Amino acid sequence: DTEVTQTPKHLVMGMTNKKSLKCEQHMGHRAMYWYKQKAKKPPELMFVYSYEKLSINESVPSRFSPECPNSSLLNLHLHALQPEDSALYLCASSQPRRGTHNEQFFGPGTRLTVL
Amino acid sequence: DAKTTQPPSMDCAEGRAANLPCNHSTISGNEYVYWYRQIHSQGPQYIIHGLKNNETNEMASLIITEDRKSSTLILPHATLRDTAVYYCIVRNPNNAGNMLTFGGGTRLMVKP
Repeated sequence: DTEVTQTPKHLVMGMTNKKSLKCEQHMGHRAMYWYKQKAKKPPELMFVYSYEKLSINESVPSRFSPECPNSSLLNLHLHALQPEDSALYLCASSQPRRGTHNEQFFGPGTRLTVL
Repeated sequence: DAKTTQPPSMDCAEGRAANLPCNHSTISGNEYVYWYRQIHSQGPQYIIHGLKNNETNEMASLIITEDRKSSTLILPHATLRDTAVYYCIVRNPNNAGNMLTFGGGTRLMVKP
């Protein structure tokens, strides 16, 4: 199984809502990532988890709160978002080992619209 | 990781070879060249990577110049399903977090 799944596929939320994005993989990967992609732009890294611990936060606002409850799951909790946060949110996974080729496998993304 | 420069868009006729260039003139000795592509409404997908030798797999070939300052991704017989944004990424395999830093990419349109 080389698939990364993301739910929901689409999400519309108001600025006062709290919602969560979910990502799951069963490839035994111990590194998981969140990327944000605005329309017609490349993906931008938000967070990296390695062995279920947050290792990189690319100065993301606190209204985005990641969580890695176990080695297969990655969540992104959303609260008090702004319309400019509307984007495609991509999850990816890989092995975390340095010095080797570690292909990242991406999910299809959650398309988020903030009203 | 070194920065890359790619043409923003290219067209290719179906069945012909698609040659996608990438400039990475500031690449350092331990950095690899990676290619990913993103088909519309999907997540990016790994294609191929290389250090200094030319590489080939079932999807594509990667040609890296001898000075490593540029490379070309070759899709030997492009199909309509190869229409996508192709990202050239230079990556140090020892970077913290195994991060990928995406540049602007090339939007390849394969036409019948």
